[in-house]
Amino acid sequence: TQLLEQSPQFLSIQEGENLTVYCNSSSVFSSLQWYRQEPGEGPVLLVTVVTGGEVKKLKRLTFQFGDARKDSSLHITAAQPGDTGLYLCAGPIQGAQKLVFGQGTRLTINP
Amino acid sequence: DAGVIQSPRHEVTEMGQEVTLRCKPISGHDYLFWYRQTMMRGLELLIYFNNNVPIDDSGMPEDRFSAKMPNASFSTLKIQPSEPRDSAVYFCASRPSGRVPTGELFFGEGSRLTVL
Repeated sequence: TQLLEQSPQFLSIQEGENLTVYCNSSSVFSSLQWYRQEPGEGPVLLVTVVTGGEVKKLKRLTFQFGDARKDSSLHITAAQPGDTGLYLCAGPIQGAQKLVFGQGTRLTINP
Repeated sequence: DAGVIQSPRHEVTEMGQEVTLRCKPISGHDYLFWYRQTMMRGLELLIYFNNNVPIDDSGMPEDRFSAKMPNASFSTLKIQPSEPRDSAVYFCASRPSGRVPTGELFFGEGSRLTVL
């Protein structure tokens, strides 16, 4: 059983479309992180959200942390082929120094 | 900085052989993590070290897996004997202490292991 559930697992859309992917848990997290992983590489941090209800923007990417700090979403506006990759959410296990990851959303943007 | 360096990038071996994966963390980073990634299970934490000391190895699948960190700039993950189900991409990651546990993890490029 995954502590962090991501949906959808796979998403393939056309360039220019908007999309939202989700990261959900039954547990409360002090923070959540979003990473992007490209083929043959390790994950790279995009953003950390810390406060319930927080919204952070990174160019065309908008990240939101749920009010109850149990979920997060990533919205991409006008997706581009360069957005293609595996998007992973991660959260610290309470009281521990380690991060647990969701299984990821594999996003493909078609030209 | 060169980032987290892992070797080998690819390893193909036969069942029963010993496999050693290597990692050089970013200089000054106190924490080192070993993860395994598969399509079925995603990214799983195997073990992590703080100041070269193993803190939590609860994710190590079984006794065939062992990890060491003899000094601040080097760690190994060993599988002996290897089995086909160990086939995966193994990642090493490091981060500095301080902004924990929300600090950014810096990942290497991974070691892709195939056990035939």
